[in-house]
Amino acid sequence: EVQLVESGGGLVRPGGSLRLSCAASGFTFSDYSMNWVRQAPGRGLEWVSSIITGSSKTYYADSVRGRFTISRDNGKNSLYLQMSNLRAEDTAVYYCARWGSGSADFDYWGQGTLVTVSS
Amino acid sequence: SYVLTQAPSESVAPGKTARITCGGNNIESKSVHWYQQKPGQAPVLVISYDSDRPSGIPERFSGSNSGNTATLNISRVEAGDEADYFCQVWDSSSDHVLFGGGTKLTVL
Repeated sequence: EVQLVESGGGLVRPGGSLRLSCAASGFTFSDYSMNWVRQAPGRGLEWVSSIITGSSKTYYADSVRGRFTISRDNGKNSLYLQMSNLRAEDTAVYYCARWGSGSADFDYWGQGTLVTVSS
Repeated sequence: SYVLTQAPSESVAPGKTARITCGGNNIESKSVHWYQQKPGQAPVLVISYDSDRPSGIPERFSGSNSGNTATLNISRVEAGDEADYFCQVWDSSSDHVLFGGGTKLTVL
């Protein structure tokens, strides 16, 4: 059974940093591209970042480029999101999501971890 | 930049067919994916590549994509189908994933 479990969320002050983790199991992690998607309270889904397996090429939403860094450790079956210079508008539930075999649809999602940016 | 447009809400009576649309310029040239999200839960993929149904998704869910509109159809709607539905594409011109704003489906 595919499982994605996020951790690392919490309360952080504006300008602060936080590192999210996503532990993957139930599939060969190194075979799949991975993503972070967030959802602000009461709002829709917003794609944050993707990392392509094999090439480790990365993509970022304009709203986070230069502040967030996505990475992965295939040996630990883990995905990470390093967030810095956090803003109030970064407050959201952050989901880890697996890209399907065609790297187009998100076929599995974690339950999410809440990040709150507030003074 | 490319934009996906969804109506904020739709209502349907039990047993009827719900049609949720996702508009975008020449969207038929892209692969559209649909997600269902119930309150307090993570999204679930219900339709991929315009019309493919993942394992475990009821046959009542179907999709199509033509011209400037992609459509998610839910036939014989049940109370349990009440949820937010989001469309999604990959925009190759910007190398960005895009989501529609979401449609809240209410079962009357």
